[in-house]
Amino acid sequence: DVKVTQSSRYLVKRTGEKVFLECVQDMDHENMFWYRQDPGLGLRLIYFSYDVKMKEKGDIPEGYSVSREKKERFSLILESASTNQTSMYLCASSLIWAGNTEAFFGQGTRLTVV
Amino acid sequence: GNSVTQMEGPVTLSEEAFLTINCTYTATGYPSLFWYVQYPGEGLQLLLKATKADDKGSNKGFEATYRKETTSFHLEKGSVQVSDSAVYFCALSAAPEFGNEKLTFGTGTRLTIIP
Repeated sequence: DVKVTQSSRYLVKRTGEKVFLECVQDMDHENMFWYRQDPGLGLRLIYFSYDVKMKEKGDIPEGYSVSREKKERFSLILESASTNQTSMYLCASSLIWAGNTEAFFGQGTRLTVV
Repeated sequence: GNSVTQMEGPVTLSEEAFLTINCTYTATGYPSLFWYVQYPGEGLQLLLKATKADDKGSNKGFEATYRKETTSFHLEKGSVQVSDSAVYFCALSAAPEFGNEKLTFGTGTRLTIIP
């Protein structure tokens, strides 16, 4: 059974803290993604990675960075958390595009910044 | 750039009613189209997909047909159940002129089915 695991379901952090969100997939997928989900805005792509140590900005990368040192792990970093980063964060992975990309999602991390 | 416009929610229906959730898209080239579903407390999972014009995706009684002429991919189900209550996302995947493949999602439609 395919699996994408996010390290935490719920996190509460203080403004200004450095926050790490971790994601691990066991499907040997090349692509990994970080999205944030907000009511009325749907899913917005923050960053994605198509190979180890490779990354590409999504639609809303400001205030975030990522790290992919191993194929199975993709980390999202909030350099200095702010209250407007309170959101649900979803990690996903997929095979290299072959005309039929299906993304597999983790259960999400609900982050509250106070 | 690529975009997906999805029917505003929330949508509330009685059990056994007919469901339509509208989805239209803008994309360069020939995108693949998807419907994802998010049940309460869970991540998204693929519901169905279509990779070329006139293809029909189907799963769990849901259907959607890829209409290139109207750039649409509307989700339908003939008789909904309480267990269909979830948030539904339309999405597309297209190879841009530069850069790498990625999924673009609509805003989601929350569906509630009442017994």
